[in-house]
Amino acid sequence: DVKVTQSSRYLVKRTGEKVFLECVQDMDHENMFWYRQDPGLGLRLIYFSYDVKMKEKGDIPEGYSVSREKKERFSLILESASTNQTSMYLCASAGPSLGGYTFGSGTRLTVV
Amino acid sequence: RKEVEQDPGPFNVPEGATVAFNCTYSNSASQSFFWYRQDCRKEPKLLMSVYSSGNEDGRFTAQLNRASQYISLLIRDSKLSDSATYLCVVSRVDSSYKLIFGSGTRLLVRP
Repeated sequence: DVKVTQSSRYLVKRTGEKVFLECVQDMDHENMFWYRQDPGLGLRLIYFSYDVKMKEKGDIPEGYSVSREKKERFSLILESASTNQTSMYLCASAGPSLGGYTFGSGTRLTVV
Repeated sequence: RKEVEQDPGPFNVPEGATVAFNCTYSNSASQSFFWYRQDCRKEPKLLMSVYSSGNEDGRFTAQLNRASQYISLLIRDSKLSDSATYLCVVSRVDSSYKLIFGSGTRLLVRP
């Protein structure tokens, strides 16, 4: 089974801090994704990467950046955390034959 | 209009009941369709893909109606363990690797 591991389950950060969320997958998947999930809004795509060093903006990239230096690792960076970035962040990966995503267990980030 | 729309529920049903969820999507060119299940405070997990011919996996049946742009999920003989949120998921037209998630339909199965 594909395993997608997110480094932290819960995080509390202060407004203005730079925040790194890490995601690692162990199945050599090309495609990796970062979503955030908020009540009533569902999952919204922040950024997507289809290969090492390649990235594409999703629907809500403002205030975020990403890094994919190695195939197995996809990092989400909040340049200057704000309270409206308090959310559940979910990383996912998918292989070349689209059969759905495998998600990590999520990071619940609170910005105070 | 949302790209994928679902009734948020909750659907509250007794054990053993049959329950059906529908979902509509806005882009007729979408190619891939899925149902995911999400338990409270957990990540979404793939329940089943949805094919044009319809498909069944045990107590779960998924149907796709391309003409009307809706997807359905039928659960027969509901179990307490079926209580969860069910997410309808559609691939984007510009990239089949990018998925659009509905906000989910919450199911509560009571004893």
